[in-house]
Amino acid sequence: QITLKESGPTLVKPTQTLTLTCTFSGFSLSTSGVGVGWIRQPPGKALEWLGLIYWDDDKRYSPSLKTRLIISKDTSKKQVVLTMSNMDPVDTGTYYCAHRIYEILTASTADYFDFWGQGAQVTVSS
Amino acid sequence: DIQLTQSPSSLSASVGDRVTISCRASQSISNNLNWYQQKPGKAPRLLIYGTFNLQSGVPSRFSGSGSGTDFTLTISSLQPEDFATYFCQQSFKTWTFALGTKVELK
Repeated sequence: QITLKESGPTLVKPTQTLTLTCTFSGFSLSTSGVGVGWIRQPPGKALEWLGLIYWDDDKRYSPSLKTRLIISKDTSKKQVVLTMSNMDPVDTGTYYCAHRIYEILTASTADYFDFWGQGAQVTVSS
Repeated sequence: DIQLTQSPSSLSASVGDRVTISCRASQSISNNLNWYQQKPGKAPRLLIYGTFNLQSGVPSRFSGSGSGTDFTLTISSLQPEDFATYFCQQSFKTWTFALGTKVELK
């Protein structure tokens, strides 16, 4: 079965760079249509999509954060890495990675996150 | 960016109630709308993808409908385990989540 797990520091100082690793199993990131996305959630607030890396190494980033984000993958290690620079206290929250799947249905297509990691708590404070 | 507006932001309901949650997109997103359920301290769980397709293992009391800009999640008979926060998400152009609807016990 598909599993994902985030790992990284729980505390980061303002202006520092955050690096989170998503280690996954049960799928290959070289399979067409597959991707791994990053989503975060400030305490008590809504989900925010950050970025995604596709099986072919193409990437998409949230327009509001793209200057601060880099996503990379190591297919053989089954890992995806998120780097976010210039961290601020407003970046405090839970960071999730998720498996993205794209399906061609009978009369339409579907693109969704079907499996999620447990989340990594990140606090930005001096 | 495509914005999603979900309503209501919260609701109170009783076990057995029929519950509907709306999600409106700022432009047409065809059928590229997904629904997730999240309980406190847990990761989101996919309920519905592609507007109306039930994810494997999700009870049939959950259903989705709509197209274009207006979408609905319906829980036909609310169960105790359904008290949670629900988010819609569009995947027409990258991905965006709405602010969510918290379903509480009346």
